[in-house]
Amino acid sequence: KAGVTQTPRYLIKTRGQQVTLSCSPISGHRSVSWYQQTPGQGLQFLFEYFSETQRNKGNFPGRFSGRQFSNSRSEMNVSTLELGDSALYLCASRPSLNTEAFFGQGTRLTVV
Amino acid sequence: AQSVAQPEDQVNVAEGNPLTVKCTYSVSGNPYLFWYVQYPNRGLQFLLKYITGDNLVKGSYGFEAEFNKSQTSFHLKKPSALVSDSALYFCAVRDYAGGGADGLTFGKGTHLIIQP
Repeated sequence: KAGVTQTPRYLIKTRGQQVTLSCSPISGHRSVSWYQQTPGQGLQFLFEYFSETQRNKGNFPGRFSGRQFSNSRSEMNVSTLELGDSALYLCASRPSLNTEAFFGQGTRLTVV
Repeated sequence: AQSVAQPEDQVNVAEGNPLTVKCTYSVSGNPYLFWYVQYPNRGLQFLLKYITGDNLVKGSYGFEAEFNKSQTSFHLKKPSALVSDSALYFCAVRDYAGGGADGLTFGKGTHLIIQP
């Protein structure tokens, strides 16, 4: 079974631009969640989608948004990028809400 | 609110010796507890979980963890460390009261260094 796939792996953007990251979950997994990892703040929960509905959201500004499609693939968008948005963005999927999450390799976003 | 504490930034162990990586948690309800490992420039790999049942949980690569409700701890252990176990380890919690929809709350991580 293929794992969680995130694209692209690396991205460099300019401050003020917007970016879209993509995540394909493990086949059959209906839940997709997103996390931001930085050296200073560690791993922080962004949001989770289940069956195309956002189930929960972390403490991030409205510039961070996401969506999930009918095939469970998910995208995360960050608008008006700031230098502090530079991070490793991790996507995770799980088959149901009471199971462990399986993580992708992440997308390394650098804002210059 | 839920929280996780990993009190040690780094743990050094000689190869062949037993290792312990500490984790304590706080949730308002009952916890789902997890351990993940991260290698450089990689995502997180799932090691083991506690949902209900036996307090001693066995996971991947010979790791195990013991759930202690009275001490609100979930320490990761391995009887004999390997150099290849050197990595960054994260403990995470999810509050069962949220029906599983809450995001994971992670500890800050512990660097495990196994010396040959």
